[in-house]
Amino acid sequence: KAGVTQTPRYLIKTRGQQVTLSCSPISGHRSVSWYQQTPGQGLQFLFEYFSETQRNKGNFPGRFSGRQFSNSRSEMNVSTLELGDSALYLCASRAQGGHEQYFGPGTRLTVT
Amino acid sequence: KQEVTQIPAALSVPEGENLVLNCSFTDSAIYNLQWFRQDPGKGLTSLLLIQSSQREQTSGRLNASLDKSSGRSTLYIAASQPGDSATYLCAVEEDSNYQLIWGAGTKLIIKP
Repeated sequence: KAGVTQTPRYLIKTRGQQVTLSCSPISGHRSVSWYQQTPGQGLQFLFEYFSETQRNKGNFPGRFSGRQFSNSRSEMNVSTLELGDSALYLCASRAQGGHEQYFGPGTRLTVT
Repeated sequence: KQEVTQIPAALSVPEGENLVLNCSFTDSAIYNLQWFRQDPGKGLTSLLLIQSSQREQTSGRLNASLDKSSGRSTLYIAASQPGDSATYLCAVEEDSNYQLIWGAGTKLIIKP
């Protein structure tokens, strides 16, 4: 089975712009979670989607949003980018009922 | 509020040594505890998942233990190899909500 894929792998944006990141889960997995990783804050949970519904949300401002499509692919969007949004964004998928998460390689976002 | 701590932040040992990485958490009401490794430029790889009812899990040269009452977990790596060099992260899941709370990680270097 193919693993979790994320596109793009690297992205450079300017403050004030918006960005959309994509995640394709392992085939058959319907749950997708998103995490932000920064040197200062470490790994932090953003949100989780299951069957196109947001099931859980972390403590991030409303500029961070996401969605999931019927094929389980997920996108996250960050609007009005700030310098502090520079981070590695990781997504993970899991099988229904399972708790083990499988991570993608991440998208490295740099905001200048 | 659950907090996860990993000590030490970095560790460098000669090849062949056995070593222990530590993880502590403040609230013992966890659903499971998971250990991951992260290689530079790559995503996270799940190593071991310990359910709250379990005391330990083993996979090859890795053994993870869990003591909920004291809020501690250890990851034991036997006969370390240079390929074990990576950052090791532990994370706890509370109340089966699929949201992981992360430690800051231990950066491990195995010297040939």
